[in-house]
Order: sequence, then structure tokens, then C-alpha cells
Amino acid sequence: QVQLVQSESEMKRPGTSVKVSCKTSGYTFTKFGIIWVRQAPGQGLEWMGWINPDNGRNYLVERLQGRVALTSDTSTSTVHMELTRLTFDDTAIFYCARSGGTFWGQGTLVTVSS
Amino acid sequence: DIVMTQTPLSLSVSPGQPAVISCKSSQSIRNDDGKTLLYWFLQKPGQPPQLLIYEAFNRFSGVPDRFSGSGSGTDFTLKISRLEAEDVGLYYCLQNFQLPFTFGGGTKVEIK
Repeated sequence: QVQLVQSESEMKRPGTSVKVSCKTSGYTFTKFGIIWVRQAPGQGLEWMGWINPDNGRNYLVERLQGRVALTSDTSTSTVHMELTRLTFDDTAIFYCARSGGTFWGQGTLVTVSS
Repeated sequence: DIVMTQTPLSLSVSPGQPAVISCKSSQSIRNDDGKTLLYWFLQKPGQPPQLLIYEAFNRFSGVPDRFSGSGSGTDFTLKISRLEAEDVGLYYCLQNFQLPFTFGGGTKVEIK
């Protein structure tokens, strides 16, 4: 069955970086894009970006460009989302999902605290 | 960017009664193939979102038939024909037509 399993929760200091992984299984990794969605505490869903795991081509919302990197590793069927220069406002649950939102990871809580 | 506007912000409905959520896009989200790229999700407390409806009116696998999607152009509706306790949570619409894809602000549905 299709599964997306994300890395564990992280606590980070302001100004540092975090890398969240999303390991997929149960389907052909290169055939479906992966989207990333952010949800700040008590807030709605924010679509962050998309990556084509086959060739690494990706798209990020303008406000995250320059701070977020999306990468894919076909050898492990895993995509990664790295967020740099963290601020307190980056505290959120980050979700990966297969394009179309058919299957989702369980979410990774990133807490930015001094 | 396409703006997705959901109403109402919250909804309190008695069990067995219908619930209706509206989603309006700031421009058409219909592609050249005639598909309307509007999706509906339910996020239950403490869980990731789950897909209910894709391409405006198609129920995703395993979704009960009390959920239905309708609409065209820029106005869309999600209807729950008879609300059950397990349907409480936050409902979101999403447009998959134009990058960046965008979610509506969400509608909280609770049992009265």
C-alpha cells in the first residue's frame, strides 16, 4: 500500500536550518510529484511547493524562495525539504503528500525556540 | 495567485442534518481538458488532511456517498447530506490549476 513516512519532530534555534524527509513506498516513486504543506499552530493549510522526484524540478511559493530547498533521492524513494534561516514564525507542522493530495505523510512538527 | 475564499468560517450542525460549505476561486480553475481542478479535504483533529473530492465532484476511494461536490466556473460547494459525528473537523478546498496552488482558509464543522 502507498505510504509516506516523515522524519521525527525537531526543535531548532532561530537562525539554524531543518531538513524534513518524506520516505515513500508502495508505488513508483518517479511517477508522481510530491507537494509540501505547512500548518502553523491553530492556522490553516499553506501550500509551499512541489517537486518532480524524477528529475528534481521543483516550484516554491515566492515567499519561501531562497529559504527552502526541495530535493529527491531516487535510490531511497525519499524527498527532502530543507528550511533555512529559521524564525519563530516557522514553527509549524510540515506535511508531504503525493500530488493531488491522495496520500499524505503523518506530519513533522518543527518547533523554533530559543 | 488564485485566491480561494471559503464560507462559512464555522458550522454547527445537528447529527443527521445537511452541511454545506462554499468555496469561490478568484478566477476560473478549469483546464483545457474541461476538468475543474478543485479538491476538497477534511482534516480531523490531530491528523493530516484526507482527500474527499477531486476535480470538483469525484469522490475519492472509500469516501462515503453522503459527501458530494458540485459547482463550476468559480463557485463550488461541498455538501454533507447527513452529518455524522466522525465528520467533525476542518474542511479545506484547494485549487490545483495554477501554480502556486492555493488552499481556502478552512471551515470548521462541529456537531450541535
